[in-house]
Amino acid sequence: LAKTTQPISMDSYEGQEVNITCSHNNIATNDYITWYQQFPSQGPRFIIQGYKTKVTNEVASLFIPADRKSSTLSLPRVSLSDTAVYYCLVADSSNTGKLIFGQGTTLQVKP
Amino acid sequence: DGGITQSPKYLFRKEGQNVTLSCEQNLNHDAMYWYRQDPGQGLRLIYYSQIVNDFQKGDIAEGYSVSREKKESFPLTVTSAQKNPTAFYLCASSISSGDQETQYFGPGTRLLVL
Repeated sequence: LAKTTQPISMDSYEGQEVNITCSHNNIATNDYITWYQQFPSQGPRFIIQGYKTKVTNEVASLFIPADRKSSTLSLPRVSLSDTAVYYCLVADSSNTGKLIFGQGTTLQVKP
Repeated sequence: DGGITQSPKYLFRKEGQNVTLSCEQNLNHDAMYWYRQDPGQGLRLIYYSQIVNDFQKGDIAEGYSVSREKKESFPLTVTSAQKNPTAFYLCASSISSGDQETQYFGPGTRLLVL
């Protein structure tokens, strides 16, 4: 099973760009990289997903180098409401849809 | 209004009692999942179902049971055999069970032991 490693916590200020890096050294060829956001006492919410290079949507960008052993979630101009836990996931490559959640990165955005 | 609903929001269990958590989705998704989350931790998979009338154990299935009689419903029973049931329980669904399928989560049920 692929395992991910990401920082336990990060601090930022409103208006700054935040980059959260995740390492997944044992990622399998068919695995996608997915990021979720979770607020306290709520279910996680999908942010972005990618396989290689760069993916961008209205919320974030995801950068994946050629070796795919890491990925970086980029949140442009964060606000206080972006304070949450961010999970980097690599799915179980047995195609069962099983997601492996680590502890995630707690992002604290300050005014 | 499409989505996943879980009920109740809070549930109290007495020692030796079985309790059932409800999960309903109207997204027409084939796959459904149950996760458990402990304070400060990520989610751990309890059970998942890829299709009606079929389900598989996840990483921490002991002390739990599920059924999938209807596509839209995937109830979870926390049995008396689960010795540490206090946790936040999350239900999710996805269109299919492929690795790249986005999972949509419900609001969660917090279970407390009296």
